[in-house]
Amino acid sequence: DAKTTQPTSMDCAEGRAANLPCNHSTISGNEYVYWYRQIHSQGPQYIIHGLKNNETNEMASLIITEDRKSSTLILPHATLRDTAVYYCIVRAPGGTLTFGKGTMLLVSP
Amino acid sequence: GAVVSQHPSWVICKSGTSVKIECRSLDFQATTMFWYRQFPKQSLMLMATSNEGSKATYEQGVEKDKFLINHASLTLSTLTVTSAHPEDSSFYICSARVAGDNSPLHFGNGTRLTVT
Repeated sequence: DAKTTQPTSMDCAEGRAANLPCNHSTISGNEYVYWYRQIHSQGPQYIIHGLKNNETNEMASLIITEDRKSSTLILPHATLRDTAVYYCIVRAPGGTLTFGKGTMLLVSP
Repeated sequence: GAVVSQHPSWVICKSGTSVKIECRSLDFQATTMFWYRQFPKQSLMLMATSNEGSKATYEQGVEKDKFLINHASLTLSTLTVTSAHPEDSSFYICSARVAGDNSPLHFGNGTRLTVT
């Protein structure tokens, strides 16, 4: 599976949009982009995934560039409960999920 | 939907004893479940892939005789840490996938194992 690069940490003010970038320049044509987050001492929570089209659900939006070499997870109105480590993972169908170090997002009042 | 339940949420055991952790998919059937381990301040590391009705596939460096995995039904996989030692103290997390290769994995809330 392709590797991803994410910033180590980011800050966001409560109520503002949090935009978390991810670089996956070696992604293959059949690999999906998945986003998970992990709140301290809990299991990872699935957020969203996509192949090449932008996706939106009740939690977030996923913007994938046309060349698919990078993506951005958008939390439209961050709350304090969104403070977590966010993982961007690329995975081929049927493949395993390999977690990197992720981005520690700190949402402040 | 897609709830994965893990039990117990935490356990303390003495060195040399064995501990069993259960992972259940509550509202779906999972032919494949995955077991991860996470040490403090580190990311999740895949330990093994558990397949219903067959032997688990272990990642390199994970001892299959120490970490026994049983996936006897489509909704239950168990991980038994045998002869636990303090270095086995960690956060163990299971996950399962709803049918479909592109479906996301859903994770349990983890089991904190402390070996004294």
